[in-house]
Amino acid sequence: SQTIHQWPATLVQPVGSPLSLECTVEGTSNPNLYWYRQAAGRGLQLLFYSVGIGQISSEVPQNLSASRPQDRQFILSSKKLLLSDSGFYLCAWGETGLAFTGELFFGEGSRLTVL
Amino acid sequence: KNEVEQSPQNLTAQEGEFITINCSYSVGISALHWLQQHPGGGIVSLFMLSSGKKKHGRLIATINIQEKHSSLHITASHPRDSAVYICAVNDDKIIFGKGTRLHILP
Repeated sequence: SQTIHQWPATLVQPVGSPLSLECTVEGTSNPNLYWYRQAAGRGLQLLFYSVGIGQISSEVPQNLSASRPQDRQFILSSKKLLLSDSGFYLCAWGETGLAFTGELFFGEGSRLTVL
Repeated sequence: KNEVEQSPQNLTAQEGEFITINCSYSVGISALHWLQQHPGGGIVSLFMLSSGKKKHGRLIATINIQEKHSSLHITASHPRDSAVYICAVNDDKIIFGKGTRLHILP
């Protein structure tokens, strides 16, 4: 069965420090991978998606970047965190592109607090 | 762009009550998802539906394509049902509602 792992679960970082959140998927090959951010009182916002190794699309201009060094690994990064980067970050994978015509699978999430 | 509205935003009920959470959207879609977000933050998929009704245990999801509306029902609610329930729609990309926070009191 497919599983998705995401870490760290909780992170407190000072403004200006770097960030690395990692997500790995098991039980499937060539998954479409996604990073979402959930800010307080708002719906999930798509940040990045990837349809293959080295292929990254950005949905929202921001202070963050994403990379996909391996088929089932997706990394969210920042060189210098801003206060506004605080939030709950979720990795997800889907079967068919952006439209998620199949079932959705989410990681457990990473709660980032920037001080 | 599709707008997804959920109601109510917050709901507190007694154990055993019948729960209804509503979702409406503005533009035609190919499918709609109901998701459950646990207190720890993890999200699981409950239903994906494009027409009619689906049932899984005490959970029932319905969708009316003409009215652009879906409902999630929980029968015989239990404190373990306490969570945030999120509606999401497939347009050219998936769009999420802000969620309904449900609290079931024992």
